Amino acid sequence: DAKTTQPNSMESNEEEPVHLPCNHSTISGTDYIHWYRQLPSQGPEYVIHGLTSNVNNRMASLAIAEDRKSSTLILHRATLRDAAVYYCIRGGGTSYGKLTFGQGTILTVHP
Amino acid sequence: DAGITQSPRHKVTETGTPVTLRCHQTENHRYMYWYRQDPGHGLRLIHYSYGVKDTDKGEVSDGYSVSRSKTEDFLLTLESATSSQTSVYFCAISELLAGGPMDTQYFGPGTRLTVL
Repeated sequence: DAKTTQPNSMESNEEEPVHLPCNHSTISGTDYIHWYRQLPSQGPEYVIHGLTSNVNNRMASLAIAEDRKSSTLILHRATLRDAAVYYCIRGGGTSYGKLTFGQGTILTVHP
Repeated sequence: DAGITQSPRHKVTETGTPVTLRCHQTENHRYMYWYRQDPGHGLRLIHYSYGVKDTDKGEVSDGYSVSRSKTEDFLLTLESATSSQTSVYFCAISELLAGGPMDTQYFGPGTRLTVL
């Protein structure tokens, strides 16, 4: 039970913004939202995480709804290299770092 | 990139044979994990370790055992491989900060195992 819901796939054009949604309606007050992505034939890599406030880093932005039941990963300008499976994961500090991966969203970026 | 290596990277074996996969890290991180990835299932946690000689089961631990005698090495053993264990196996490491959020996990390149 991944406890998050994501669309199976999304498409984007190169250099356009991409908004990847995630629903986590049963999230607890101490759960963080983490995003990882997996490029073809590679292991997953960390993208971003947050608790309540919106977060930005060099890779992406994370917008978390006020009720924390959903979040959106934002890629500001998609590149071909951003084509990957994106995983939205909820987890807290008491779980020994165990990540429960769902199916993720397959992002296709068109040139 | 985090210093994580997995060996072997590819292995073909026969049903009933023992197989050991190795994960080696140079980051001195306390936590190590083994996942398997299969089409239609995403990544699933097999076992994890929270210190030397400290391990626990994950979601799909049946048929697998692990050992961690040194901080840097985490071994996954299939005592008697079955075709259902054909999969891609990923190792990950993290350093959980006390009182903080779940820390970033860094993943290795994976081992593709085929059991005939």
